[in-house]
This record gives sequence, C-alpha cells and structure tokens, in this order.
Amino acid sequence: GESVGLHLPTLSVQEGDNSIINCAYSNSASDYFIWYKQESGKGPQFIIDIRSNMDKRQGQRVTVLLNKTVKHLSLQIAATQPGDSAVYFCAENPYTGKLIFGQGTTLQVKP
Amino acid sequence: DAGVTQSPTHLIKTRGQHVTLRCSPISGHKSVSWYQQVLGQGPQFIFQYYEKEERGRGNFPDRFSARQFPNYSSELNVNALLLGDSALYLCASSKGGENTEAFFGQGTRLTVV
Repeated sequence: GESVGLHLPTLSVQEGDNSIINCAYSNSASDYFIWYKQESGKGPQFIIDIRSNMDKRQGQRVTVLLNKTVKHLSLQIAATQPGDSAVYFCAENPYTGKLIFGQGTTLQVKP
Repeated sequence: DAGVTQSPTHLIKTRGQHVTLRCSPISGHKSVSWYQQVLGQGPQFIFQYYEKEERGRGNFPDRFSARQFPNYSSELNVNALLLGDSALYLCASSKGGENTEAFFGQGTRLTVV
C-alpha cells in the first residue's frame, strides 16, 4: 500500500547530542510534509511542517530539510533531551486532507 | 483552549458487533479526518470530512463509515467487527482548505475479542 519510508526503526542518542531522523517519500505529487512526535498512549503531536517550495524550515530546536530531487526528508533535533524520546513519523500530503504516514522511528535518548 | 477530543478512550467489543467512535474538533476547525493505527505502524487514512461532506476515503472496507454533524463533530462507525479492527483510532482536525496543519486527538483504543 501507500507508505512513506523511514530509514531506521530505532535511533539511540546521548542526551545533549543532535539527532537526525530520515524519511523517504514516494509520491511526487506531494507538496506538503509534516513531522509528528508520538509518545506512548498519546496521539501524534505536530512538530514542524514544510511545503515543497522550501528546502529548509527551522523551529525551536528542530529543523526540517526537504530534498525533492531524491524525495527525502529529515528532521534534526538539536541538543536532544530525555523528553524527546518518542516515535517520530513523517507524513506527506498528496492532496488536501489526506496524510500518508511512514512506519515511524523510535528515538531513545540516553542520559 | 480545548484540543481535539475523542470518546471513548478505550473500548472492548466482540467480533461481529458494531462500534461508534466520536470526535470533537478544535473550535473553528471545519475538517475532521479519521485514521487507524495498528500497533507498531504509522496511522492509515480512513476518511476526511469537510463542511459535512466526505472529501476523501482510504482503502478500507464498506464496514467503515463516518459522518460529520453541523457543529463539525464527527462519528466513525464500524460494523461487523473483526479481530483485525483492533487498533488505535485517531481523529485529526484542521481548519480546512489546502495543506493546513492537522492536530490529532488522543485516540480511541479499540480491542476486538
């Protein structure tokens, strides 16, 4: 079925280090992308989004990079904290209202 | 401000039964989407409603149906439940229009036994 792929199922980083979570998408028609964070027992939480007319967008401690040539997204988290431990999903929006999610990457932050 | 609220939070049903899940979007949001998230996977799109009309449907059987009410709240109905319907059902709300941020509720955990 449709899916957005993530390169690594689990990423383990030391507290204070930077984290990079990668994602490959398949639908060339997608023009809007979102990163979500999901903690155990909770719904996905919006982190940051980017439109296809941009290559980079920065938020608070997070940066999303978009490479349309190779259909690749990445989420960079600066100075990773224990509270960042969660499952991270990238999602693409091929048309209004529908999001296609990847399998998710589990981020583990070691103290 | 209240976020997206879903009810119930947990539900146990028997195979063959019917279930109704409810969602109230963020105030001012006119679009509601439903997703199914099986354990260990990303959410899968089921339906989108905007201004009480269905705007999108995912690859789910006709046992799944939904509707949106004049106050923009929504219900997801699943008939003839199967064991494989056990999942977290998520509702997402957005203002509507193109490419707007979608905010998710906590979900309803459905277990079919």
